[in-house]
Amino acid sequence: DIQMTQSPSSLSASVGDRVTITCRAGQSISTYLNWYQQKPGKAPKLLIYAASSLQSGVPSRFSGSGSGTDFTLSISSLQPEDFATYYCQQSYSFPYTFGQGTKLEIK
Amino acid sequence: EVQLVESGGGLIQPGGSLRLSCAASGLIVNSNHMTWVRQAPGKGLEWVSVLYSGGSTYYADSVKGRFTISRDNSKNTLYLQMNSLRVEDTAVYYCARASSSGWPNFDYWGQGTLVTVSS
Repeated sequence: DIQMTQSPSSLSASVGDRVTITCRAGQSISTYLNWYQQKPGKAPKLLIYAASSLQSGVPSRFSGSGSGTDFTLSISSLQPEDFATYYCQQSYSFPYTFGQGTKLEIK
Repeated sequence: EVQLVESGGGLIQPGGSLRLSCAASGLIVNSNHMTWVRQAPGKGLEWVSVLYSGGSTYYADSVKGRFTISRDNSKNTLYLQMNSLRVEDTAVYYCARASSSGWPNFDYWGQGTLVTVSS
């Protein structure tokens, strides 16, 4: 199985800040990397697919980059609704493993 | 608008069986790749199984041989038959569409159904 490791596990930031979350794969996964946002009690929501493609309807302040083993999710100017938990996921091979999550909290 | 609505969760004793359903509207289940993902209380996401439109199925090692994914075309519904349930299967189970683009991703999700395995 391909292990996905996110850092940090938690992050405190303020509205308007720029934040970056990192995801590292245990082996090269090309750009088969997705990012999801999950709010408490809700289903995950797809933000980014193929490492850098913005899902339809997702604000442009979200962006993704990377290839191979190292990937980042950036939020350019945090909004109140962005405080949530973020997960990366590899879709290179089964099982489609997720990172452990990064909880983004209000400072 | 795509809607996926899960049902069938509940409290079940270890060793028991349960069948989850995922009723779809706005998409045709047998024309799409469909998947189940679970989340144990307070934990992260774990992919469980996928059913491709062509009929191929894949499972996580943790459920292989115990869970079966299937669909009913006439009801436009996806299922997850769960047998020999264990305490560690306790989780919210989500169904989702697995996009058939060149880069697989899960783009539509249901609201989830809670399965609690406990004596």
